[in-house]
Amino acid sequence: AQSVTQLGSHVSVSEGALVLLRCNYSSSVPPYLFWYVQYPNQGLQLLLKYTSAATLVKGINGFEAEFKKSETSFHLTKPSAHMSDAAEYFCAVSDTGGFKTIFGAGTRLFVKA
Amino acid sequence: NAGVTQTPKFRILKIGQSMTLQCTQDMNHNYMYWYRQDPGMGLKLIYYSVGAGITDKGEVPNGYNVSRSTTEDFPLRLELAAPSQTSVYFCASSYQELNTEAFFGQGTRLTVV
Repeated sequence: AQSVTQLGSHVSVSEGALVLLRCNYSSSVPPYLFWYVQYPNQGLQLLLKYTSAATLVKGINGFEAEFKKSETSFHLTKPSAHMSDAAEYFCAVSDTGGFKTIFGAGTRLFVKA
Repeated sequence: NAGVTQTPKFRILKIGQSMTLQCTQDMNHNYMYWYRQDPGMGLKLIYYSVGAGITDKGEVPNGYNVSRSTTEDFPLRLELAAPSQTSVYFCASSYQELNTEAFFGQGTRLTVV
């Protein structure tokens, strides 16, 4: 069965600092992996997705994530945080056998001025 | 292009009352989903549909019902509201599962008192 674990329910960084949000997955088959962002009082929006074409995936707003099969990880990074990045971020996994995407519990990112 | 539209945005129900959460999408997506989001729990799949006339249970279907009479609409029914159903509900749609992104509505915040 698939599962997703996001390490840290809250992450706080200073403006201009590196953002690192951690995601580990479990899947019995090569997975499809996603990062979504949720701004206050809004639905989720796709940041980026991994579909086996390349291990380093670039998304919107300067975010990127690297798929590491040996570590079963798909961590999200951004070199320099901006105040507008403050939001909740969800990692998600979908395998080739089912119709259901499994979401992690989410990590809330705080950006300090 | 409206995307996924949910109504209402907010609702307060008394225990035992019933209501229908409406969801419609204008992207001609076959796949539609209902999730509930509780603090620190991520998103849990309630029901999903792979096309008109076809629905199936997700992870937490108890207390809910759905129907899919058209491609566009996927209403979620609560028959006997309970305090445990206090949550934020999101409808989503996708062209197909697996490696395609899901598009989310803005959510319905439901409180059962």
